[in-house]
Amino acid sequence: EAGVTQFPSHSVIEKGQTVTLRCDPISGHDNLYWYRRVMGKEIKFLLHFVKESKQDESGMPNNRFLAERTGGTYSTLKVQPAELEDSGVYFCASSHEQGNYNSPLHFGNGTRLTVT
Amino acid sequence: RKEVEQDPGPFNVPEGATVAFNCTYSNSASQSFFWYRQDCRKEPKLLMSVYSSGNEDGRFTAQLNRASQYISLLIRDSKLSDSATYLCVVNGGFQKLVFGTGTRLLVSP
Repeated sequence: EAGVTQFPSHSVIEKGQTVTLRCDPISGHDNLYWYRRVMGKEIKFLLHFVKESKQDESGMPNNRFLAERTGGTYSTLKVQPAELEDSGVYFCASSHEQGNYNSPLHFGNGTRLTVT
Repeated sequence: RKEVEQDPGPFNVPEGATVAFNCTYSNSASQSFFWYRQDCRKEPKLLMSVYSSGNEDGRFTAQLNRASQYISLLIRDSKLSDSATYLCVVNGGFQKLVFGTGTRLLVSP
């Protein structure tokens, strides 16, 4: 079974540019999550999709961040325009069973974003 | 106050030692609890879930004290390969995980 895959693994962009991160969850996983870790801080929740619908986007920092999951398969997270404080590692995770509090989340390797 | 608090360490221990990590959480309504392991520049991976009755997986034992809102992880007979950051994680609802900053463990020969 292929795991959660994220692309790109690294991205270096200048302040003001746009970056789009992609996540392919494990096949059949309806739940898809975005998390991020900024330097020196804990990993924080950004948002949660159930299929193509946003279940919870309470962790999205501001309106420069846009997440989509058209068709309920892969997801993209766009940052436009990027700011210096957006630098960090963006993790995607997926899981199968909604509502099962012990259903494990499978994380991707992350995208390391550096905004200069 | 952070929702999940951990001692960042590092904990430096020799091979074969027993080491314990602790974690406290602030939301008394939290339903489920986990320890994740994260290697340098890698993704977090589930180490084990934590149950009220306590649970063991090989050299690893996790315990939960709901009254004190306290979670622990005990590693016996430490191996070099146990060197990593251990993340205390609480499910904030609908698998919206709340992470601690992690405790770094370094096991030396």
